[in-house]
Amino acid sequence: QQQVRQSPQSLTVWEGETAILNCSYENSAFDYFPWYQQFPGEGPALLISILSVSDKKEDGRFTIFFNKREKKLSLHIADSQPGDSATYFCAASPYGNEKITFGAGTKLTIKP
Amino acid sequence: GPKVLQIPSHQIIDMGQMVTLNCDPVSNHLYFYWYKQILGQQMEFLVNFYNGKVMEKSKLFKDQFSVERPDGSYFTLKIQPTALEDSAVYFCASSLGGRSTEVFFGKGTRLTVV
Repeated sequence: QQQVRQSPQSLTVWEGETAILNCSYENSAFDYFPWYQQFPGEGPALLISILSVSDKKEDGRFTIFFNKREKKLSLHIADSQPGDSATYFCAASPYGNEKITFGAGTKLTIKP
Repeated sequence: GPKVLQIPSHQIIDMGQMVTLNCDPVSNHLYFYWYKQILGQQMEFLVNFYNGKVMEKSKLFKDQFSVERPDGSYFTLKIQPTALEDSAVYFCASSLGGRSTEVFFGKGTRLTVV
């Protein structure tokens, strides 16, 4: 049972465009949603996160939109740069629980 | 930023042998984790560890797996005996703990069982 789902599996956008990565979850107990960025040969690194009490979180070019009722969220990367090319993992954990459940990832490619 | 170090970066081992993966977590962190990733796919939770004890483990954390962190030393994942399906990249992570604190990951140990 996959508790965190991501789409698309892979995404290619042109430099300067906005990339939109989607995520949905099943467990209503999840209330912390970090997004991780992973480059080949590296471990995942926290990019941006949101708590379920919020519906939007911005950090520079990165924005999370969160819809608790539909159990969906999305990561928007504005003004995409070739250096943003990486795999992005949506993840989730319940309140007070240290276990993070990852989605399968979206491989993002930015074409110059 | 804070670094989680994993040693070695790559290990090749014969099926049936024992292997120990070592992790040097961020110095003041209290929670420690192991995740398994196959061929750049989904990160699968294996186990988390706090105050000298396993807090939670997944179905992937087979009886052949064990973790420990003797005082002040590495946080280790031991697999004994290894099986072919254990081939994967194993990521160690650590965090301070508490609500929504950041979890820091190491670069992983690529384990190949032959």
